[in-house]
Amino acid sequence: AQKITQTQPGMFVQEKEAVTLDCTYDTSDQSYGLFWYKQPSSGEMIFLIYQGSYDEQNATEGRYSLNFQKARKSANLVISASQLGDSAMYFCAIRIGPAGANSKLTFGKGITLSVRP
Amino acid sequence: EPEVTQTPSHQVTQMGQEVILRCVPISNHLYFYWYRQILGQKVEFLVSFYNNEISEKSEIFDDQFSVERPDGSNFTLKIRSTKLEDSAMYFCASSYHRSTDTQYFGPGTRLTVL
Repeated sequence: AQKITQTQPGMFVQEKEAVTLDCTYDTSDQSYGLFWYKQPSSGEMIFLIYQGSYDEQNATEGRYSLNFQKARKSANLVISASQLGDSAMYFCAIRIGPAGANSKLTFGKGITLSVRP
Repeated sequence: EPEVTQTPSHQVTQMGQEVILRCVPISNHLYFYWYRQILGQKVEFLVSFYNNEISEKSEIFDDQFSVERPDGSNFTLKIRSTKLEDSAMYFCASSYHRSTDTQYFGPGTRLTVL
């Protein structure tokens, strides 16, 4: 079953502008965690931000924030003041169930973001 | 800042050969994972490991795969007899069970099977 959906085609944003990358998820569990990772062209996976299903506030980490809408099952990543170095593939991932030993992540297909100077 | 390391960065092997991919997780982490990413596709879970045993494995992780933590620092993935379709980027990740259990990924090993 498709647990994470990222359907946007390649995204483009002008440097210094904000951009929203969409992610919807599917689970009937009440306890879960949502993660965003960045994968630049060099290939590594860089953790950006985390949102727990019971967290009442939207997560923020510097220029990254997560627009968490639980009823709509969406967890969109917002990048403010885009920089050229933000050009990369962005993956949304979900951990079903509470944090613990079996905390595998299920990833979406990713979204390519290109920042234009 | 502590980080997960992986060696080698690129491994080329012949079909049918055994390969061992090595990882050094972050030192105080307790949970270890392997994922793979076939070129241009999404990242897929292979196996999780805790307390010296496998916690969960995916259907990809068949009898050709094994994992081991041979000492206090290394975590290895062995593929016994590689197939062409094993060509992928293999990521090791580790986490420390706190409220978020964020998994931190290594830089990956690109495995090419000829």
